Amino acid sequence: AQKITQTQPGMFVQEKEAVTLDCTYDTSDPSYGLFWYKQPSSGEMIFLIYQGSYDQQNATEGRYSLNFQKARKSANLVISASQLGDSAMYFCAMYSSASKIIFGSGTRLSIRP
Amino acid sequence: DTEVTQTPKHLVMGMTNKKSLKCEQHMGHRAMYWYKQKAKKPPELMFVYSYEKLSINESVPSRFSPECPNSSLLNLHLHALQPEDSALYLCASSQVEGSGSYEQYFGPGTRLTVT
Repeated sequence: AQKITQTQPGMFVQEKEAVTLDCTYDTSDPSYGLFWYKQPSSGEMIFLIYQGSYDQQNATEGRYSLNFQKARKSANLVISASQLGDSAMYFCAMYSSASKIIFGSGTRLSIRP
Repeated sequence: DTEVTQTPKHLVMGMTNKKSLKCEQHMGHRAMYWYKQKAKKPPELMFVYSYEKLSINESVPSRFSPECPNSSLLNLHLHALQPEDSALYLCASSQVEGSGSYEQYFGPGTRLTVT
């Protein structure tokens, strides 16, 4: 069975601090893709970062990096130097063998000034 | 241009109405998706179109009827909806279906309220 788990329903972080959002997954497929999306209150899902199961290095995109630990089946998102505009819901997602993306339950991140 | 557009942004309809949601992308993507998202929940997949053909229907009630007139457009026709169908409806596209290497780009969504 394919499953994505986000155990942090909500997090509060001080502006300019780094934050780690947790994500664990379960799949029996050897090939899969992991994604992180940001959803502000406006509703749009914004793609942040992608990690392929065969990628040797952790993915990075600007202030976003993905801490990929394959053996532990975790794909945590790290946001460096958080900004007020980072306040949003964050979803971890995995491409499954059934040709669709499954999403975790999400983490609501709030940045304090 | 990594933009997916959706119209309308907001829609209020009665249970006897017929309405349509529209989605458009000009990225040359050949896979398009409809999702339904209830408040404080992750998106749930409804339909997938691949090369303009319906590829996946996640057992969605027939009061939701998708249509893909061409490779850039995706419609969702609504008829005889129920109040529990009120949600944010998101459209997305990706280069192709069936690959974990391609991210999906989402539109801003249509907030639907059924009265």
